[in-house]
Amino acid sequence: QVQLVQSGAEVKKPGASVKVSCKASGYTFTDYGIHWVRQAPGQRLEWMGWIIAGNGNTKYSQKFQVRVTITRDTSASTVHMELSSLRSEDTAVYYCARESIGAFDMWGQGTMVTVSS
Amino acid sequence: QPVLTQAPSASASLGASVKLTCTLSSGHSSHAIAWHQQQAEKGPRYLMKVNSDGSQSKGDGISDRFSGSSSGAERYLTISSLHSEDEADYYCQTWGTGIWVFGGGTKLTVL
Repeated sequence: QVQLVQSGAEVKKPGASVKVSCKASGYTFTDYGIHWVRQAPGQRLEWMGWIIAGNGNTKYSQKFQVRVTITRDTSASTVHMELSSLRSEDTAVYYCARESIGAFDMWGQGTMVTVSS
Repeated sequence: QPVLTQAPSASASLGASVKLTCTLSSGHSSHAIAWHQQQAEKGPRYLMKVNSDGSQSKGDGISDRFSGSSSGAERYLTISSLHSEDEADYYCQTWGTGIWVFGGGTKLTVL
């Protein structure tokens, strides 16, 4: 069945970078885009950016434009999201989601990233 | 770019029905939206896509108790025969040119 499985929880210090992975299975990886969405404690879902798995093109939210990089490894059907210059406000659960004609039709289980000195 | 507005909370009794609303901003009333459910301490789950004409496409395994509809700039999610496990946050989501947005979510309490 279609699945997105994310890497495990991370604890980072302010100023560091974090890289979260999202492994896809159960469908043709290059046929869909993968998005990253985060949710800070008690807050709404927030879109960060996406990658077209077929050609590697990316688009980022203006809020994260300078700090986020999304890449993909087609041989491993995996998408990576790296967020740099971490601060305490980046403490959140990070989700990957598959997009089908605009709608996010499958979600990963989430990865908790804690930024603390 | 589109903006989505949702009421912060709603409540209904076990076994009753509830209709949640997601309103598209001016100039975007023809947009389709998607509904997602997020139970406590869990990740989101895709429920369905609702088009401006009211047609819908549900995710795999989504109960017939969940249905979507449209009127003008409003998109609805109706849940019938409420179960306790329907208590959750419900988010609507849409997209523009190179941007994807979420509503603020509605917290549904099942009484």
